[in-house]
Amino acid sequence: SAVISQKPSRDICQRGTSLTIQCQVDSQVTMMFWYRQQPGQSLTLIATANQGSEATYESGFVIDKFPISRPNLTFSTLTVSNMSPEDSSIYLCSIQGTLTTTDTQYFGPGTRLTVL
Amino acid sequence: DQQVKQNSPSLSVQEGRISILNCDYTNSMFDYFLWYKKYPAEGPTFLISISSIKDKNEDGRFTVFLNKSAKHLSLHIVPSQPGDSAVYFCAASATGNQFYFGTGTSLTVIP
Repeated sequence: SAVISQKPSRDICQRGTSLTIQCQVDSQVTMMFWYRQQPGQSLTLIATANQGSEATYESGFVIDKFPISRPNLTFSTLTVSNMSPEDSSIYLCSIQGTLTTTDTQYFGPGTRLTVL
Repeated sequence: DQQVKQNSPSLSVQEGRISILNCDYTNSMFDYFLWYKKYPAEGPTFLISISSIKDKNEDGRFTVFLNKSAKHLSLHIVPSQPGDSAVYFCAASATGNQFYFGTGTSLTVIP
């Protein structure tokens, strides 16, 4: 399956600042997604990153807070803007639609964010 | 509104015995189900899937059972090994739509 990498793997940030997380895939994929896993909770879909157009956000998530880019079929970024301690979570990039499978999502290693 | 539920937050099993992890869902439109395994500090790893046209799928030590009438699926691990200790998430989707995840069950396999 495709290899997915995320940068940074973890970060500690100050309240009010922004952090951009990168997701790189070693092959072209149809779909890329961003999830959040807050402590003790399940994975929550933030948005679908659309190549060449604006991301599609789920209820409760807005572009101003979580701007997303996807300039091509192998790369996406998620920015967590104007951070507060409530944004402390694991942020996960996932992909779907590779050369070998279309139905299954595969996840990157995640970015552990702590906001002080 | 949690459409996929894992009611057991944790499970402990002796090495060599069977581990059974359970998952319930509410949306009858779901037709594709997956299990993921997650180690600390890593992203979820895809384990096994099943579509709604089947009631069982087996891959080595892992078997997933689907009971559509009960809206229930389970993952059986036989025999359980210490390396299986991880958090297991079930996920469900309706074809072409987003995946919904359960809250996870932490499995500990005791040597």
